[in-house]
Amino acid sequence: AQSVTQLGSHVSVSEGALVLLRCNYSSSVPPYLFWYVQYPNQGLQLLLKYTSAATLVKGINGFEAEFKKSETSFHLTKPSAHMSDAAEYFCAVSLSNDYKLSFGAGTTVTVRA
Amino acid sequence: EAGVAQSPRYKIIEKRQSVAFWCNPISGHATLYWYQQILGQGPKLLIQFQNNGVVDDSQLPKDRFSAERLKGVDSTLKIQPAKLEDSAVYLCASSFGGEAHYNEQFFGPGTRLTVL
Repeated sequence: AQSVTQLGSHVSVSEGALVLLRCNYSSSVPPYLFWYVQYPNQGLQLLLKYTSAATLVKGINGFEAEFKKSETSFHLTKPSAHMSDAAEYFCAVSLSNDYKLSFGAGTTVTVRA
Repeated sequence: EAGVAQSPRYKIIEKRQSVAFWCNPISGHATLYWYQQILGQGPKLLIQFQNNGVVDDSQLPKDRFSAERLKGVDSTLKIQPAKLEDSAVYLCASSFGGEAHYNEQFFGPGTRLTVL
């Protein structure tokens, strides 16, 4: 079975600073990996996904993530945080042949002015 | 293109009462999912439909939860009777389905259930 672990349930950054959210996965077969964002009282929105193509994936809102097989990681970064990035972020994994998502526990990002 | 619609957005009930949630997926999406998101946790899949058939309901507490998608379009999720631990956000998602097209899931805004 596949699973993800998100390191850090809360991250606080200053506006303009680097955002780094950590995600490690376990999977018995090549995984698909995703990052979703959830704003208060809203559903999840896909930020980006890795589906075995380029290991550096660019997503919406200036976010990107790098798939590192040797480290079983898929960390999410954004060079310069904006106030609008305050939200909860979820890493998720699915097997390449069944598309069922398994989510991490989430990381809440707060951005300080 | 309209997104995934869910209603109601909020529901407060007392334990042992019953409740139902409704979901209308994106038009043309064959696959529909119901997730339970407990505060502080990631969403957990309850049930997956492909058209009007159940693909996976292994995580659905079948003694109290039921779901249907009779015409392969909209779906209802029911809890009867509700317990305190059912307090959560219930998310509906849909996807196009089919192996030739990556199966991205689109999520609705969710229904926040509070059981008192």
